[in-house]
Parts: sequence; C-alpha cells; structure tokens
Amino acid sequence: SQTIHQWPATLVQPVGSPLSLECTVEGTSNPNLYWYRQAAGRGLQLLFYSVGIGQISSEVPQNLSASRPQDRQFILSSKKLLLSDSGFYLCAWSEVRSSYEQYFGPGTRLTVT
Amino acid sequence: AQSVAQPEDQVNVAEGNPLTVKCTYSVSGNPYLFWYVQYPNRGLQFLLKYITGDNLVKGSYGFEAEFNKSQTSFHLKKPSALVSDSALYFCAVRRNFGNEKLTFGTGTRLTIIP
Repeated sequence: SQTIHQWPATLVQPVGSPLSLECTVEGTSNPNLYWYRQAAGRGLQLLFYSVGIGQISSEVPQNLSASRPQDRQFILSSKKLLLSDSGFYLCAWSEVRSSYEQYFGPGTRLTVT
Repeated sequence: AQSVAQPEDQVNVAEGNPLTVKCTYSVSGNPYLFWYVQYPNRGLQFLLKYITGDNLVKGSYGFEAEFNKSQTSFHLKKPSALVSDSALYFCAVRRNFGNEKLTFGTGTRLTIIP
C-alpha cells in the first residue's frame, strides 16, 4: 500500500531564516505531487505541483520554491521566511491515470516568529 | 475556471440525527467530485468520490454523497451522526479531462452534539 511522509511535523523559525520541508511517497511510481498551504485551519491554497522529476509548476508567486530531485520526493524551500509564511503545509500525491483523488500527508505546522 | 461553494461554515447536529453537509460546484464539462475530512492538526483524509455511474456514492465511515447534475450539487450525508464525526469537511472538484488540479471548497466545520 502507499504511504506519504512529511517532516518535520512542527517547526518554529525566525523571520529571515531558510526553510526546507520534505515529503516522500512510498509504494507508487511517478506520482503527481502537490504542496498546499492551509491558513487558519480553513481553505487550502495550492502552492506547487509536479508531474515528474524536475517538473514544477507554481500556482502562487511568492518567496517559496519547490523541487523534485527524485521520483517520490518533493521539497518545499525558502531562502528567507516571512511572517506570512506561517501555516499548515500539506503534501499530497495522486496517480497520473487512476482514481484521480489526492492522498495527503500528515502536514507540517510552521510558525514564523 | 472551476469552483466549489460550501455555503455553511458551521453545521451542528445532535448525535444520532441525520447530517448533511452541502456542496455546490461549477466546472466546464463533466465533473469529478470528492469529499475529504480533516481532524485537528492532521492531513486531509479521502472519504468518497463521484466519477461516473450511480449518482449515490458510498464512502468511508458510513458517509454517502449524492451527485445532482441539474442542481450542480454534491451534498455529503450520513443517516446517524456520531460524536466522532466532528471535524472539518472539504468538498473538491476537477474536470474529467487530462491531468487537472483539484479545486477545494473553504470547508464546513461539523460539530456533533452529544
């Protein structure tokens, strides 16, 4: 069966510091991968998605970036965090041709101080 | 463009009563529709989906949803609510074409009152 991991689970970082969040998927090949941010426990904002290694599409221009160095690894980064980057970051995967639903990781709670 | 509306931010239901969480959508062409549930400080869990076929779809934890094309709705239902059903519920839609992204609603907080 497939599983998705995210780490760290929680993170407190000062303004201006760098960020690296990691997501890995097991039990599937060539998945679509997604990064979402959820603010104030409500709506989801799609940040990035990837359909393959090195292929990243950005939905929202901001100081975040994403990379996919391996088939089942998706990394969210920032060179300098802003207060507004605080939130709950969720990684998700879906199969390219199958049931179409996305499966979510447990999330990372980021607090920028 | 595609969109999802969840008109109720909060729904309160007494334990044992039937529950409904409403969702309407807008998409060009035929939709794929989904419901997810989120417990505090957790990721979203997939509940059920409508792709094609029977308008009434059944999912996890006794939930079901009815696709109504004329009303562009996909309401989530359960015949008898449990306190453990209290959570945040999200409806999502995408076009049934290619590698489309999901569009999520803003969520409905369901509280089951003992």
